[in-house]
Amino acid sequence: GEDVEQSLFLSVREGDSSVINCTYTDSSSTYLYWYKQEPGAGLQLLTYIFSNMDMKQDQRLTVLLNKKDKHLSLRIADTQTGDSAIYFCAERNDYKLSFGAGTTVTVRA
Amino acid sequence: SAVISQKPSRDICQRGTSLTIQCQVDSQVTMMFWYRQQPGQSLTLIATANQGSEATYESGFVIDKFPISRPNLTFSTLTVSNMSPEDSSIYLCSVARPGTESSYEQYFGPGTRLTVT
Repeated sequence: GEDVEQSLFLSVREGDSSVINCTYTDSSSTYLYWYKQEPGAGLQLLTYIFSNMDMKQDQRLTVLLNKKDKHLSLRIADTQTGDSAIYFCAERNDYKLSFGAGTTVTVRA
Repeated sequence: SAVISQKPSRDICQRGTSLTIQCQVDSQVTMMFWYRQQPGQSLTLIATANQGSEATYESGFVIDKFPISRPNLTFSTLTVSNMSPEDSSIYLCSVARPGTESSYEQYFGPGTRLTVT
């Protein structure tokens, strides 16, 4: 079965970089995702990475994938107050997504 | 991207009643999914709803409790039947377009926040 784990909380100072980590167990995952959920809102697709890649950069976001260790990370450069949210990583197998518990990121001034 | 709307956005219901949640997408999609997010929890897949076939339910979810309709490529409904307080959750629909250039993208609706009293 699928099992995705994330640390639950991250506090970061405004302007610093945030790094959110995630581990997964399903080696047949095809894509891995990062979603953002702000209070009272739905899930916003932030970025994704195909399982045969090891890095993807999209503006302030950098995704690193270590397939051997089944480790995924999301780095947010120059973290802003608007980045405060819950971040979910998810792995996809046959179009089904398995989610981690979510990391609550708090940005402090 | 896909623009997904859900109705209602929230509701408070009495135990024993049923609620039907609607999901509308702005373009045709092959695959639609229904997820549940219990308070303070992550998301769990309830079922996959493909047009022209019966919905496929995940372990722990059954059709009698969560009947789903998928009448066309832009619309689906999920009914939460005979509700109990344990059904209080956010219900989200999600879409994917396999076989297209954007097949890797999976988008979510804004969710329906259900409280059962």
